[in-house]
Amino acid sequence: GQQLNQSPQSMFIQEGEDVSMNCTSSSIFNTWLWYKQDPGEGPVLLIALYKAGELTSNGRLTAQFGITRKDSFLNISASIPSDVGIYFCAGQNYGGSQGNLIFGKGTKLSVKP
Amino acid sequence: NAGVTQTPKFQVLKTGQSMTLQCAQDMNHEYMSWYRQDPGMGLRLIHYSVGAGITDQGEVPNGYNVSRSTTEDFPLRLLSAAPSQTSVYFCASSYRGRVATGELFFGEGSRLTVL
Repeated sequence: GQQLNQSPQSMFIQEGEDVSMNCTSSSIFNTWLWYKQDPGEGPVLLIALYKAGELTSNGRLTAQFGITRKDSFLNISASIPSDVGIYFCAGQNYGGSQGNLIFGKGTKLSVKP
Repeated sequence: NAGVTQTPKFQVLKTGQSMTLQCAQDMNHEYMSWYRQDPGMGLRLIHYSVGAGITDQGEVPNGYNVSRSTTEDFPLRLLSAAPSQTSVYFCASSYRGRVATGELFFGEGSRLTVL
């Protein structure tokens, strides 16, 4: 089946630093999404991307849908302690599988104050 | 709004026991799904439903059963628990028309340990 390669697996950064993570696939997707999971909680949608080349921001977060439709990245600027959590990329092709999402394995972010 | 509610939050089972993880949503979402989360494996789809009376298998359905008798509820049944089913389980839902946008609403998770 389709698989997503998400990197890095984990990051330890200082408060105020910028963060970058990415996701690649051997298959194309029509939609790329980024979710965040706080400790002990379920994932929450951060950003959704629907067009190849699209660049979207949500506060300090910026994400891009790769031109090839096989990759996406997420940047976080000026990190703060509440950015701690696991970030998941997800790809989707709406159609035969009713739009089920394929998730990456996650990037665990730790922020030192 | 309660959103997506999962019960129980924690459960310990012995090998061979059966149990049901409950999921209820109060948002009138047609689409509901179950994922399991294992360390280093991300989220993997177990079963999903696009409406009452309709269910289908996801990536890892073996050992699990589901039913969808109402729009609100989507229980996940383990018929004979195995240690390999130790995991954190998440229920997620969406409006059917919004499934294409990838906007899933997740519950807080149910942590299951099988001894």
